[in-house]
Amino acid sequence: GESVGLHLPTLSVQEGDNSIINCAYSNSASDYFIWYKQESGKGPQFIIDIRSNMDKRQGQRVTVLLNKTVKHLSLQIAATQPGDSAVYFCAERGGETSYDKVIFGPGTSLSVIP
Amino acid sequence: DSGVTQTPKHLITATGQRVTLRCSPRSGDLSVYWYQQSLDQGLQFLIQYYNGEERAKGNILERFSAQQFPDLHSELNLSSLELGDSALYFCASSVEVWFVGGQDEKLFFGSGTQLSVL
Repeated sequence: GESVGLHLPTLSVQEGDNSIINCAYSNSASDYFIWYKQESGKGPQFIIDIRSNMDKRQGQRVTVLLNKTVKHLSLQIAATQPGDSAVYFCAERGGETSYDKVIFGPGTSLSVIP
Repeated sequence: DSGVTQTPKHLITATGQRVTLRCSPRSGDLSVYWYQQSLDQGLQFLIQYYNGEERAKGNILERFSAQQFPDLHSELNLSSLELGDSALYFCASSVEVWFVGGQDEKLFFGSGTQLSVL
């Protein structure tokens, strides 16, 4: 069956260090991947996305890496700040059409230590 | 503020009852998604509508139903409620960006409706 999972359920990082959040997916037909951030009491917020024909994409302080060979996705946050503390979800859109549903992984909780 | 509005923010009801959750998507967004978030299940996709039509279905129970109206707002109806239906229900609307060979789809989430079934 389809699944998107995370290697680490929790991550604690010192302020100023870089954070790496990992995600494994199982559907090799997935064509689009997204990272979301969810702060306490709020809905998930889009961070960055990547298409399956790319292996790296950079945003502001964030980089997403896609390794289709091993079906692995990672989110790198540079110079982690206290405001980065949240739950991070990877999501994939898979299937035979571009209209397929967006499936979320279980999430990783990131705690930034001041 | 994502631009997606969900009402009510909190809902407390009893088992066996029926409730309706409402979602207004961002202006111009045609797609509406519904997700259920519970502590042990994470974010579970329920159903998606596009311009009034059902587009994709996930793990939605038969006791649950949804619809999208001509003005694009959506409602999620939950009936014969059980204790296990207690969860945070999110609505999201999406911007679809088409390119040669495919489509990107960014979801914008509302703040959710916290449903407590007692």
